[in-house]
Amino acid sequence: DVKVTQSSRYLVKRTGEKVFLECVQDMDHENMFWYRQDPGLGLRLIYFSYDVKMKEKGDIPEGYSVSREKKERFSLILESASTNQTSMYLCASRSYYGYTFGSGTRLTVV
Amino acid sequence: EDQVTQSPEALRLQEGESSSLNCSYTVSGLRGLFWYRQDPGKGPEFLFTLYSAGEEKEKERLKATLTKKESFLHITAPKPEDSATYLCAVNSGGSNYKLTFGKGTLLTVNP
Repeated sequence: DVKVTQSSRYLVKRTGEKVFLECVQDMDHENMFWYRQDPGLGLRLIYFSYDVKMKEKGDIPEGYSVSREKKERFSLILESASTNQTSMYLCASRSYYGYTFGSGTRLTVV
Repeated sequence: EDQVTQSPEALRLQEGESSSLNCSYTVSGLRGLFWYRQDPGKGPEFLFTLYSAGEEKEKERLKATLTKKESFLHITAPKPEDSATYLCAVNSGGSNYKLTFGKGTLLTVNP
């Protein structure tokens, strides 16, 4: 089974801090995704990547950037955290059979 | 633009009371419709992928069906452990393989 690991389950950061969320998959998948999930809004796509160093904006990329230097690792970066970025962040990896999600990172910006 | 609408938003059942969840979708060309289960504070857990109208898949008490406009997740004789949020998502192809999600149905099964 594919395993997608997000480095932190819970994070608390201060407004203005630079925040890194890490995601690692163990199956050499090309496609990886970052979503955020908010009550009443569902899952919304922030960024995705289809290969090393290749990335595209999703539906809500403002305030975020990403990095994919190695195939197994896809990082989400909040350049200057703001309170409206308090959310559950979910990473996913795509295989031929479907999409596997990590367990999520609950980020609180204070 | 792909759109996914799930109904109802919330559903409360008694143990053993069968029911269905609905997922209506609008896509330019369906490459796959996905059902996920999500428990509070956790990531979505994959249940089913459906690719073409008429297709059906089953797993324990769950059965997913697909038409050209909607999908149903049928829950037969549910148990309290089936309580979760059920998410529907579509992929319309292209090179990005992104999923567009509905907002989910919160299912509560009372003993």
